Amino acid sequence: QKEVEQNSGPLSVPEGAIASLNCTYSDRGSQSFFWYRQYSGKSPELIMSIYSNGDKEDGRFTAQLNKASQYVSLLIRDSQPSDSATYLCAVNVLTDSNYQLIWGAGTKLIIKP
Amino acid sequence: GAVVSQHPSRVICKSGTSVKIECRSLDFQATTMFWYRQFPKKSLMLMATSNEGSKATYEQGVEKDKFLINHASLTLSTLTVTSAHPEDSSFYICSARVPRVYTQYFGPGTRLTVL
Repeated sequence: QKEVEQNSGPLSVPEGAIASLNCTYSDRGSQSFFWYRQYSGKSPELIMSIYSNGDKEDGRFTAQLNKASQYVSLLIRDSQPSDSATYLCAVNVLTDSNYQLIWGAGTKLIIKP
Repeated sequence: GAVVSQHPSRVICKSGTSVKIECRSLDFQATTMFWYRQFPKKSLMLMATSNEGSKATYEQGVEKDKFLINHASLTLSTLTVTSAHPEDSSFYICSARVPRVYTQYFGPGTRLTVL
């Protein structure tokens, strides 16, 4: 059973601080990793994708990947109240000769003004 | 990012009727689309994988005769909820996968309420 694990939270972070979201996965063969943001009542929105070990930065967001530890994280710098949402980690796995995303349950992030 | 549309955004229907939901990739061709369902405060649940020109692959526990999927073109997949019942009330979301990149982009979702 291929799994993606996330702490469900809620994770409470003061405005302006760094929010750190973590995700572990079980399939060592996975090559593609994604972070999505989902506001309540809305569909998921892609924030970051990462394919290689190390850091990838996009604005206030940094994704970090460590394939040896099977660990992917998302850092949000200068957190804003508008960042309050559920953050979903997704890992691309090969299942029955078809690629599909395996989803974590999501971490609820609350940014306190 | 790529744009995926979904229609309708909200539908209310009577028990026993059928409802069709359309999912379109607007600026890319998607050979593979996905249909998800999400209940309030719950995780996304993959219902089926829709491949253009072939039959959809349904996840375990999803009734293929109740949730009909048609992926007739590279930009359109439809989900028909047949003989809907109140327990089918949920948030249905489609996604389309960009070929060779494997990134999925989501439509805005359809909120179905069955009375």
